Amino acid sequence: AQKITQTQPGMFVQEKEAVTLDCTYDTSDPSYGLFWYKQPSSGEMIFLIYQGSYDQQNATEGRYSLNFQKARKSANLVISASQLGDSAMYFCAMREAYNFNKFYFGSGTKLNVKP
Amino acid sequence: EPEVTQTPSHQVTQMGQEVILRCVPISNHLYFYWYRQILGQKVEFLVSFYNNEISEKSEIFDDQFSVERPDGSNFTLKIRSTKLEDSAMYFCASNGGRQETQYFGPGTRLLVL
Repeated sequence: AQKITQTQPGMFVQEKEAVTLDCTYDTSDPSYGLFWYKQPSSGEMIFLIYQGSYDQQNATEGRYSLNFQKARKSANLVISASQLGDSAMYFCAMREAYNFNKFYFGSGTKLNVKP
Repeated sequence: EPEVTQTPSHQVTQMGQEVILRCVPISNHLYFYWYRQILGQKVEFLVSFYNNEISEKSEIFDDQFSVERPDGSNFTLKIRSTKLEDSAMYFCASNGGRQETQYFGPGTRLLVL
């Protein structure tokens, strides 16, 4: 079974609108962390936001927020007020506490922000 | 702000040649990683390294691959005899504590001809 599933290979959003990128995960470890990374066309991986499995609140970092629904095992990324510079690939990733050396990545979502 | 650096940014090599990809993790980090991303595909874990030894490796990380921390700052990935299918972006990453966020370097784009 896939550890991380991103079902949207591509998304379009209008500039200044909000967009949600989906991520579901599979783990039996009660302790884990969820991460989102942005990969622009230049190729680097930029850390955006982190959610711990025991965190009571949804994580927020500026225009990024993580809609964490533990029972559904989903960790969707919400980008508010999209900007043209948000056009990139977005990867969801997970690390489990019992195997903390390994990160599992999803297949990514290509976001295009339209002017 | 401290960052992970990687050299070279691009490398072109002939099949069968050895390549060494270099990384300088963030200075106070203890855990180091290599990942691979074939063009247009997802990021794949290769190997993790802690306390001067490999702590985990994937099935991709076969005998052709090795990692080393030759001094206090560098972390290298060696591919002994490159194959066409080794063409990919290779990312180095590091984190401080076990549960901390991994920070990625800018990657080395390897092309094997």
